[in-house]
Amino acid sequence: GAVVSQHPSWVICKSGTSVKIECRSLDFQATTMFWYRQFPKQSLMLMATSNEGSKATYEQGVEKDKFLINHASLTLSTLTVTSAHPEDSSFYICSADRVDYYEQYFGPGTRLTVT
Amino acid sequence: QQQVKQSPQSLIVQKGGISIINCAYENTAFDYFPWYQQFPGKGPALLIAIRPDVSEKKEGRFTISFNKSAKQFSLHIMDSQPGDSATYFCAASVEAAGNKLTFGGGTRVLVKP
Repeated sequence: GAVVSQHPSWVICKSGTSVKIECRSLDFQATTMFWYRQFPKQSLMLMATSNEGSKATYEQGVEKDKFLINHASLTLSTLTVTSAHPEDSSFYICSADRVDYYEQYFGPGTRLTVT
Repeated sequence: QQQVKQSPQSLIVQKGGISIINCAYENTAFDYFPWYQQFPGKGPALLIAIRPDVSEKKEGRFTISFNKSAKQFSLHIMDSQPGDSATYFCAASVEAAGNKLTFGGGTRVLVKP
């Protein structure tokens, strides 16, 4: 149990286009989902916290108009990278908070490459 | 300000040996301390977690030791295997504040056969 999926696992897009990444909790409900960014050989950097039915809370320095987060249901959150640029190329990882167990489970990540 | 400091950045251990990774935190409000294992190109996977009311927790070959007064906690991997070669992250959070995790910098572990 406690499986989190992400789609796509890998995406290449051209500079200036937008990309949407989906994060789903497959076998549990998640009132809170988190989005992280990870550069090679670095730790995870929290980008934002999303709660079902409310606006996401962004960490300092994260552009909310560039990284649009929607938490449409208790099992789905999406991250849209708008007007992507090469510097947005990174590994994006979501996690879901399994509230009844107070544990956070991570998705497999999405590798975004902007050309 | 890095609130969770992890060391070492990397370590090499022989098969069958013990891998030890240490973390120190600053925020005394932290009340949940998980460890994650991450393989290249994959998301982190929860290994084991501890809360401040216990000083040690063991699950299989993995043990967390927790020292509340020193604000330190560590992961011990006993009988290390080549399959344990991965990056390990400690983290901490305040559950009442929404369980937002603060991660350590990570430790790359290489287990030599």
